[in-house]
Amino acid sequence: AQTVTQSQPEMSVQEAETVTLSCTYDTSESNYYLFWYKQPPSRQMILVIRQEAYKQQNATENRFSVNFQKAAKSFSLKISDSQLGDTAMYFCAFMTDSWGKFQFGAGTQVVVTP
Amino acid sequence: GAGVSQTPSNKVTEKGKYVELRCDPISGHTALYWYRQSLGQGPEFLIYFQGTGAADDSGLPNDRFFAVRPEGSVSTLKIQRTERGDSAVYLCASSPTGLSQETQYFGPGTRLLVL
Repeated sequence: AQTVTQSQPEMSVQEAETVTLSCTYDTSESNYYLFWYKQPPSRQMILVIRQEAYKQQNATENRFSVNFQKAAKSFSLKISDSQLGDTAMYFCAFMTDSWGKFQFGAGTQVVVTP
Repeated sequence: GAGVSQTPSNKVTEKGKYVELRCDPISGHTALYWYRQSLGQGPEFLIYFQGTGAADDSGLPNDRFFAVRPEGSVSTLKIQRTERGDSAVYLCASSPTGLSQETQYFGPGTRLLVL
């Protein structure tokens, strides 16, 4: 069975600063997918970024980037130039290479302050 | 096109009652997922439909929970004899075919409160 651990319940960051969210996972699979989803108070889960385990290059999407360390089973998210609209709950998620069933972490609440 | 929609947005019921939660996936998406998100937790998988059939219902907590997708589009999650512990946000997601590399699109969820 796969597990996903997010050890930071809440992170606070000032506008324009950088914050890094940690995520570790446990699996015996050799190929899989990792995701970061954002959930604002509206409850809508929004995909932030995804990483295929077979790709060594870290994924980036504008101000969002990941540090994927496959051997360490670590998948951290860096938010650069934080904006007030980034305030949300962030979930790390794991998916096997078979079909699209997510295993989510418990989430990290990010609060961006002016 | 329209995204995934869920109705109702909020549902309050009394312990022991029956409830139905509806999910309208993105048109043409054959894969549909239900998740349950308890307060302060990440979503937990309940059931996955591929077309009209439940391909994986291993996440349903007990036989009070049942879901259908009779025509391969709209899905209904049914909860019998509701208990206070069923209170949670129920999320629905869809994807074009169910392959891992596809993006799953989530609805806004139904917040269920059992009194």
